[in-house]
Amino acid sequence: SQTIHQWPATLVQPVGSPLSLECTVEGTSNPNLYWYRQAAGRGLQLLFYSVGIGQISSEVPQNLSASRPQDRQFILSSKKLLLSDSGFYLCAWSYSGSSYEQYFGPGTRLTVT
Amino acid sequence: AQRVTQPEKLLSVFKGAPVELKCNYSYSGSPELFWYVQYSRQRLQLLLRHISRESIKGFTADLNKGETSFHLKKPFAQEEDSAMYYCALKKTDKLIFGTGTRLQVFP
Repeated sequence: SQTIHQWPATLVQPVGSPLSLECTVEGTSNPNLYWYRQAAGRGLQLLFYSVGIGQISSEVPQNLSASRPQDRQFILSSKKLLLSDSGFYLCAWSYSGSSYEQYFGPGTRLTVT
Repeated sequence: AQRVTQPEKLLSVFKGAPVELKCNYSYSGSPELFWYVQYSRQRLQLLLRHISRESIKGFTADLNKGETSFHLKKPFAQEEDSAMYYCALKKTDKLIFGTGTRLQVFP
């Protein structure tokens, strides 16, 4: 069966420090991969998505970047965190060609201090 | 621009009362709409899709193209329905989510 992992579960980082959040999927090949930020009152904001290795689409220009170094690995990064980067980050996957049913990870709570 | 609007942040009802979670969309073309749900301490998951016209856990949602709406309904709410509900619109390889409505069902 397919599973999706995210780590870390929680993270507290100072302003200006780098960030790396990792997401991996098991049990499927060539999935679509997604990074979202979930904020109270703002819903789910799609940050990046990828339909294949090295293919990244950015939805919101900001302080973050994403990479897909392997088929089932999706990384969210920042060189210098801002206070406004605090939030709950969700990774999700879907079958290639079937983006409507997405399977979400447990999320990472990021607090920038 | 494509957009999904959920006007209510919070909806509170008593057990047994009818529930309607509102969702409006803007989309040029033939829309595909979905409802996702997140129960406490669980992951966000797909509840239903308009194409299948199915009832899941007693919930139904009808696409009304004239009113550009896709409201989620249940005739008799249960306490276990308490959760966060998101309406979503499919656009090529991605979903556009609304801001969500928290449903609280009181005993």
